[in-house]
Amino acid sequence: NAGVMQNPRHLVRRRGQEARLRCSPMKGHSHVYWYRQLPEEGLKFMVYLQKENIIDESGMPKERFSAEFPKEGPSILRIQQVVRGDSAAYFCASSPGTGRNTEAFFGQGTRLTVV
Amino acid sequence: RKEVEQDPGPFNVPEGATVAFNCTYSNSASQSFFWYRQDCRKEPKLLMSVYSSGNEDGRFTAQLNRASQYISLLIRDSKLSDSATYLCVVTLRGDTGRRALTFGSGTRLQVQP
Repeated sequence: NAGVMQNPRHLVRRRGQEARLRCSPMKGHSHVYWYRQLPEEGLKFMVYLQKENIIDESGMPKERFSAEFPKEGPSILRIQQVVRGDSAAYFCASSPGTGRNTEAFFGQGTRLTVV
Repeated sequence: RKEVEQDPGPFNVPEGATVAFNCTYSNSASQSFFWYRQDCRKEPKLLMSVYSSGNEDGRFTAQLNRASQYISLLIRDSKLSDSATYLCVVTLRGDTGRRALTFGSGTRLQVQP
């Protein structure tokens, strides 16, 4: 059972370009979370999705950022018109459900560098 | 007030020492509690769940105090390999169902030889 897969592992974009980050959850997991970690800082929640639904996007910046988790295929975090401040590690986690003490498992992250 | 608060550290301790981390959470409706570990530039990994009755896994002991809204992690006989950032994690069930895991900023531990 493969773990949570994120790609690419490293992504370099020029200011103004678009960044697409992909996350394939663990087999059998239907819940996906995206987190951002700036250098030397803690993890910040961005968005929580189930298949075809956004459950909680309270941590998403209002502009330029969007996320989806289609019926088929990976979850995508999309950042339009990237700026230097978007440079960070973006982690995806998945879990099988919402039961008590259901932990989430993380992918290895995508490190975005905006130049 | 932050939803989950931790002392950022760093905690510098010698090998063999016992070290304790505390974490406080603001929402009394919080339901599930975990400690995760994050090594430098790696993804967080689950260390242990935290149960109301307290639980132990080898050198690690986790406690939950619902009345005071804090959880703790005790590490006995510290090893060099315990050097990492320890993240306190809380979830709660909101009106729309389960909310995502909420992370504290983490406490850095550096075990010295």
